[in-house]
Amino acid sequence: SQQGEEDPQALSIQEGENATMNCSYKTSINNLQWYRQNSGRGLVHLILIRSNEREKHSGRLRVTLDTSKKSSSLLITASRAADTASYFCATEAGGSYIPTFGRGTSLIVHP
Amino acid sequence: DTAVSQTPKYLVTQMGNDKSIKCEQNLGHDTMYWYKQDSKKFLKIMFSYNNKELIINETVPNRFSPKSPDKAHLNLHINSLELGDSAVYFCASSQAPGGETQYFGPGTRLLVL
Repeated sequence: SQQGEEDPQALSIQEGENATMNCSYKTSINNLQWYRQNSGRGLVHLILIRSNEREKHSGRLRVTLDTSKKSSSLLITASRAADTASYFCATEAGGSYIPTFGRGTSLIVHP
Repeated sequence: DTAVSQTPKYLVTQMGNDKSIKCEQNLGHDTMYWYKQDSKKFLKIMFSYNNKELIINETVPNRFSPKSPDKAHLNLHINSLELGDSAVYFCASSQAPGGETQYFGPGTRLLVL
């Protein structure tokens, strides 16, 4: 079945630096979403990007989608300690309502 | 106001027991989900209901039985609990199935001894 895989598994940076996480998937998708999960909490939606879109922004977040490479990236600019969390991508394959999550990228931002 | 709530937050029980987890959403959404997150943070969908009808059932053992008494509630009953059922179970809801933002509950941490 369709599965997004995040890369890297873990990322450690200093406050103020940019953080980039990637997500790759296997088959064609309807849309791709990024979520954040703080330790011990539920997931929080960040951005949804549809298959006909290439880039979306939300505040300090920038998401790109390259359907030819079957990959997406999440860029967090000017990171803050509060951005420390796990970040997941979720895909829905064409013709399916089944959301498939990857294993996440664990981001640590050091103050 | 809590959008998606789950009870209990923690559940510690013995192997072989039967337990239930409850989920409620006050967002007026039509679609609700149950996910299981294992110790390596892998999040996998188990079930989804749309307007109280089951639309997704992903290779989950028969010991797991979801019930949706109305659109705002989706409960999960687990029979004959096994050690491998230990995980965090998340409820979520969305306005409709497919291509919609999902709103997650805080999770229920289940530990089977």
